Amino acid sequence: DARVTQTPRHKVTEMGQEVTMRCQPILGHNTVFWYRQTMMQGLELLAYFRNRAPLDDSGMPKDRFSAEMPDATLATLKIQPSEPRDSAVYFCASGLVQGQPSHFGNGTRLTVT
Amino acid sequence: KNEVEQSPQNLTAQEGEFITINCSYSVGISALHWLQQHPGGGIVSLFMLSSGKKKHGRLIATINIQEKHSSLHITASHPRDSAVYICAATPTGNQFYFGTGTSLTVIP
Repeated sequence: DARVTQTPRHKVTEMGQEVTMRCQPILGHNTVFWYRQTMMQGLELLAYFRNRAPLDDSGMPKDRFSAEMPDATLATLKIQPSEPRDSAVYFCASGLVQGQPSHFGNGTRLTVT
Repeated sequence: KNEVEQSPQNLTAQEGEFITINCSYSVGISALHWLQQHPGGGIVSLFMLSSGKKKHGRLIATINIQEKHSSLHITASHPRDSAVYICAATPTGNQFYFGTGTSLTVIP
């Protein structure tokens, strides 16, 4: 049963530290999405890749966030330096059809103190 | 101003009831998504539709492009349907506007 794998599941860190979240999309999927979910804002799209190329990262705070796909089996989302307001659940999703995130990972719950 | 509005925010139903969740949007779209988020937090993509109706098991999603409105129906609801249902409008493949979700509780 193919699934999107995210690591770590939970991360607690102190303000100012670098945080790296990883996502392994389903083999063969050519689109990858990063989302952030908070109680206040709900779900927000942060970044969107197709065939490993970033198509849109307008939802991402550029000064501290970066998203990359070093290869087809790995997507990363980095925050440097982290701030308490970055505390959220970060979801990765992958899919085959443009604009359709068909499978979601279980998320990384980030707490920045 | 929210580009996507869902109603109701919360819904409690008895097992077996027919359920409707509504989603209205103000942007032009290429597609409308329905997502299901379980109490444990996992998200499942239920439907992506750009016209008409789609059905999967007891779930039916409809969309009226002219009225900018979509509905998600659950027939013969079951406690395992208890979840948050989120609609998302996609003007282009790169943009997503999310609704705030409808929290559904189905009581045995």
